[in-house]
Formats: sequence, C-alpha cells, structure tokens
Amino acid sequence: GIQVEQSPPDLILQEGANSTLRCNFSDSVNNLQWFHQNPWGQLINLFYIPSGTKQNGRLSATTVATERYSLLYISSSQTTDSGVYFCAVSYAGGTSYGKLTFGQGTILTVHP
Amino acid sequence: DGGITQSPKYLFRKEGQNVTLSCEQNLNHDAMYWYRQDPGQGLRLIYYSQIVNDFQKGDIAEGYSVSREKKESFPLTVTSAQKNPTAFYLCASSIRSENTEAFFGQGTRLTVV
Repeated sequence: GIQVEQSPPDLILQEGANSTLRCNFSDSVNNLQWFHQNPWGQLINLFYIPSGTKQNGRLSATTVATERYSLLYISSSQTTDSGVYFCAVSYAGGTSYGKLTFGQGTILTVHP
Repeated sequence: DGGITQSPKYLFRKEGQNVTLSCEQNLNHDAMYWYRQDPGQGLRLIYYSQIVNDFQKGDIAEGYSVSREKKESFPLTVTSAQKNPTAFYLCASSIRSENTEAFFGQGTRLTVV
C-alpha cells in the first residue's frame, strides 16, 4: 500500500518562530489532508490540499503531487500550536474513495 | 450543529467482553470510517462503509465488527477476539467521491481492565 513519511518526528520552537513540516508519499494521491490533533485527541482539519497552495491565517500548505510531497508552514508560532500534526493521503489508484493512510505525525512543542 | 458524534468519550471493558462504540453523523455523508490510534502512532483503518448495508475491512479488521443499517450511523463492536483493544478510536465521514475531505469525531478512549 501507499506509504506516508513525515519529518521531523519532533520539533521544539520558541514562540514567534517559523517552522516547516514535510510529508512524503510513495504513490499518486487524489486526497491529501493536514490535521492538528489537540491534547484531547480530536483531529482538527487544517487543509484539504491534493495539489497547489493554500493559506489560512498563519498556516499555509503546498502540495507538489508530481514530486509526491507536501509542506505545512507555520509562521509566528504560538503555544496553542502545540500538538501533533498529521498528514494523510488517499491513493489515487484505488476505488475506495476517502480511505486515508496516515503518517506517524510530527510532535510540535512551542515554548513561551 | 452539523458534525460527527462519538459516544461514549471514555469506555472501560473487562477482558472477554464485547463492547460497542457509537458513531453518528448528520452531514448527509455516504461514507463512514473507523480508525484506531495507539500511543505515539498515526491512525490505522479498521473498517469503512461507502453506502448503507455495505462495508469493507480495512488494514486491521481482525477482532472488530461493524454494521451500517442507517446512513447516519456506523457502530463499531470490539469483540473479545481483539487481542489488544486498549486504544483511541476515531470515526470519520466523507462524501462518496474521488476528491473528498474527511471529517472526524472527537474519539472514544477504550481501556481494558
């Protein structure tokens, strides 16, 4: 099956710093989502971005589908940004739409 | 409010017992999914359903069962055959389409005591 690799596994920042999280995937995808898992475990949808670039406030994301990677940018980080960030993809060659394969996540800690 | 509701939030089960986790959505989504998350890990797919009265095994279906009698509901039963059931369980739904965004419930934390 499709493989998803996220880097770095851990990231520690001071408040106000910028960061880039990376997601590599092994095959063609028709869906790519970035999630933030909060301390209570809920997955918050950040971006639905199978290709192209999107921005939402301090967060932005870029997916280069032909090169099989996506980047999540966090600018001017805040302590509330702490948590686990997941990338998840859906294989384009399958017939079961919406089935997501998750990476292992990046644990982000932002210190005041 | 539109969304996905999972209940209960916390569940304790004795070894050898079956337990059922509830997942309800009012988003009018055709497809629903169950994922399992272990500490420090990503999510893994247990079962999914793209339409009422139909469901398919995911990557780790052994020891689990599901039903899809209504569009809004997709309950997951963790049976006594599941060797290591203690985990965080998340339900999701999406439109049944090639390019579709999935949305998740708040999860149920199951502990075997």
